[in-house]
Amino acid sequence: DGGITQSPKYLFRKEGQNVTLSCEQNLNHDAMYWYRQDPGQGLRLIYYSQIVNDFQKGDIAEGYSVSREKKESFPLTVTSAQKNPTAFYLCASTERGRRNTDTQYFGPGTRLTVL
Amino acid sequence: RKEVEQDPGPFNVPEGATVAFNCTYSNSASQSFFWYRQDCRKEPKLLMSVYSSGNEDGRFTAQLNRASQYISLLIRDSKLSDSATYLCVVNVGGGKLIFGQGTELSVKP
Repeated sequence: DGGITQSPKYLFRKEGQNVTLSCEQNLNHDAMYWYRQDPGQGLRLIYYSQIVNDFQKGDIAEGYSVSREKKESFPLTVTSAQKNPTAFYLCASTERGRRNTDTQYFGPGTRLTVL
Repeated sequence: RKEVEQDPGPFNVPEGATVAFNCTYSNSASQSFFWYRQDCRKEPKLLMSVYSSGNEDGRFTAQLNRASQYISLLIRDSKLSDSATYLCVVNVGGGKLIFGQGTELSVKP
């Protein structure tokens, strides 16, 4: 089955620890994204990558880091510099359709709780 | 002003009702538009893309007005299973999508 997987589904960490969230896709999509969602709010873009070995900051990149060494993988590290890391983290990838519509598909998400 | 703004919710409607959601966007160079559905504690899923001519998929109709920078979603004959949060999404170019804050719909028996 083709799709986007994120692991783990739930993650608990102590304050001050770095943590890495996994995102893998086998859809052969070029572009991948990380979003953060807080309760009752929309998605905010953290980082995105349109091609291997290249990525751009989104609107709330401070306290996060990413890498894109392989097309299939786009891990996100939440560092201790992120002041309020507890949130729902969503990874997505983009298919470029015939109308150039950039339809975006999401993984199931990781709920990070920092204690 | 937010780049994408949606009707504040929640919308509480009876089964069978028709409900409309509105969304405005600020970037006139926006290229493409979508409605996503998000169930509680789940990931967003694409409901439909929005084309300039308007498009319909069963009970769902999406419309785009580029002059007014406005997008709408109409749901006819609401079902209990339509209860979810509906996200308006705008592609502003450069591979970047902007999400509205979402409008919650609750369909009651």
